[in-house]
This record gives sequence, C-alpha cells and structure tokens, in this order.
Amino acid sequence: KAGVTQTPRYLIKTRGQQVTLSCSPISGHRSVSWYQQTPGQGLQFLFEYFSETQRNKGNFPGRFSGRQFSNSRSEMNVSTLELGDSALYLCASSLDVGFEAFFGQGTRLTVV
Amino acid sequence: DAKTTQPNSMESNEEEPVHLPCNHSTISGTDYIHWYRQLPSQGPEYVIHGLTSNVNNRMASLAIAEDRKSSTLILHRATLRDAAVYYCILSTGGTSYGKLTFGQGTILTVHP
Repeated sequence: KAGVTQTPRYLIKTRGQQVTLSCSPISGHRSVSWYQQTPGQGLQFLFEYFSETQRNKGNFPGRFSGRQFSNSRSEMNVSTLELGDSALYLCASSLDVGFEAFFGQGTRLTVV
Repeated sequence: DAKTTQPNSMESNEEEPVHLPCNHSTISGTDYIHWYRQLPSQGPEYVIHGLTSNVNNRMASLAIAEDRKSSTLILHRATLRDAAVYYCILSTGGTSYGKLTFGQGTILTVHP
C-alpha cells in the first residue's frame, strides 16, 4: 500500500512569508502527527490530529498551526516565517495510539 | 514525559548481532516502548514496540526487563543497511496522543 506522502519535498521561502505543507496519510489511518527536525533540537513534536480534531500540541508558538480534513489528509501552516523555522518537517500517520507510526520523507523548508 | 537514556553511539560488524540498550526508569504502567530508526536523509522508520512481553518481528526483537525499567533492541544479524540512528521512545495515550518524544538516539555504525 502507498506510504505517507508529503508535498512539496523542498521549499524555499523568505522571512515574513507563510507556508503550507501537506501530508497524505496511509489509507485507513486517522491519526496524523507533525514533527520538526533540526540539527540542534532533533525531532520535536508539533501536533497531532485524529478525525479532524487536534488532540495534542507541542511547545511551539501560535505561528505553527494545522488542520485535518475528513479524508484524514493534513496540512500544517507556518505564518510569519523566521530563519529559525528552517528545518525538515515530518508527518507521521498511524491507526491510533499504541500502533506504529509511519513517517513520510519530509518537507525540507529553507527560510532565507 | 517519561525519559529514556541511550548510549550516544555503538559499533558492530556486519553479520553479527547487535544489542542496543535503553533505560527508562520512570516508565509508567501504560507506557509503550517503541523503537524507531532513521537512516540518512529519510524520515524515521518504525522498528518494533511492546508493552510488557518480549516481542519479535521480521526486523528485530525487543527484550523488556521484568520491571520494565530497561529494554534492549536486538538486531540478530547486522547489515550495512542497519546503520542508522536508533531511537527508544515511550508513548502512551491520554495527554500523549500521537506524541513520540525523540531523544538523541544511538548512532549505530556497522563495519563491513
């Protein structure tokens, strides 16, 4: 079956702009989580959605937001981009808590 | 979040077994023990997870101590493709929906 698909794979944005990243989970998976990976901080949890509801949120500023659609596809948005937002953004899908999570290849965001 | 402690790095020779340790002395009764690995330039990949009993799958085995304060990921015959960062993670439901707290992990080097 198809894996987790993230688009776009690479993105270059300018400070102050906003960006929207997309994640298509594995068919049947209703839980979608987002992570930020940087060399300094490692992998950090952003938020999780299940059946269109945000169930959990990490310690990130309000500039980071997300949503999930009825088909379980998810988007995350970062507004007013800062240089420090440059990172690999990863999406993971799973059936629910206690089940394995499947990660996408990520979106590499560069803010200049 | 309950914490895990792993060695920063380990080395192995190809075709030999590898035992990757993880300490999680503050684990709670409902925490699952997950192992993920991340190969260069890829998203994390699920390896195995368990709650109380030892677990086996096609990739690895997970040995869980009786008091659950530590666990060991066993790769039975390391290959060069097993060279990756291995993460030991605790997760549970409740307030940790969809959240995997990644530490620094163990960098596994496999020598030919």
